[in-house]
Amino acid sequence: EIVLTQSPATLSLSPGERATLSCGASQSVSSNYLAWYQHKPGLAPRLLIYDAASRATGVPDRFSASASGTDFTLTISRLEAEDFAVYYCQQYATAPLSFGGGTKVEIK
Amino acid sequence: QEQLEQWGAGLLKPSETLSLTCAVYGGNGGSFSDYYWSWIRQPPGKGLEWLGEINHRGSTNYSPSLKSRLTISLDTSKNQISLKLSSVTAADTAVYYCGQNLDVWGKGTTVTVSS
Repeated sequence: EIVLTQSPATLSLSPGERATLSCGASQSVSSNYLAWYQHKPGLAPRLLIYDAASRATGVPDRFSASASGTDFTLTISRLEAEDFAVYYCQQYATAPLSFGGGTKVEIK
Repeated sequence: QEQLEQWGAGLLKPSETLSLTCAVYGGNGGSFSDYYWSWIRQPPGKGLEWLGEINHRGSTNYSPSLKSRLTISLDTSKNQISLKLSSVTAADTAVYYCGQNLDVWGKGTTVTVSS
C-alpha cells in the first residue's frame, strides 16, 4: 500500500504569493499516476492535475506540478482569492488507491 | 461531460447497512470501457479517504480496512453504481462521494450514524 505524506499541513499566505505544496510517496508511483485535487467545504473535489504534471481541463495555468522520484510538487504561482482551499494528492497507480492527508492553504 | 447524481439514506443506526447509489447522466457517448468509478468519503474534520473502485467489467478494488464490509457494484443497464457498507458505526459518519475516472464527481451525500 502506497502511503502519501503531504507537507506542510497548513500554508498561510497572502493573495498574490506563491504556494508550494509537497507530496511524498512511500514507494515508487508507477507511470507517475498521481493527481492533485482542490477541495472546498460543501463541494466535490476538483481535479487540478493528473499524471503528476498535466493540467486538467479548465484549470488555470497558475497551477503547475512536477515529479522527482517519489516526491511530487504542486505550485500555485500567484494565489487568487478562490485558491484558498484544501489540496490533496492521490496516487492511482496501485490498488488500494490512496490520498495524502491534505494541505490547507489559508489566508494569512 | 457526464454528471453524477447520488442518493441514499442519510441517517443510520449502528450495525445497519449504508446503501448509496450513483447514477451517470449525459456525456458524449464515449467508450464505456474507458471508465471506472470510485467511492471516497470525508469524515467530519478529516481528509479524503478512498473506499474502493469498480471498472466497466465489474472488477473491484477495495480499501483493506473496509474490504470485509464493503461492496461496490455496477448496473450497466441503468448506468448506476452502488455502494453498500455493512455493520456501520459512528466512525462511518462522513460525506460520501462517487466519482467517474478522476475528474467527474457527485455532489456528495452526508451520512450520519447515530443511535
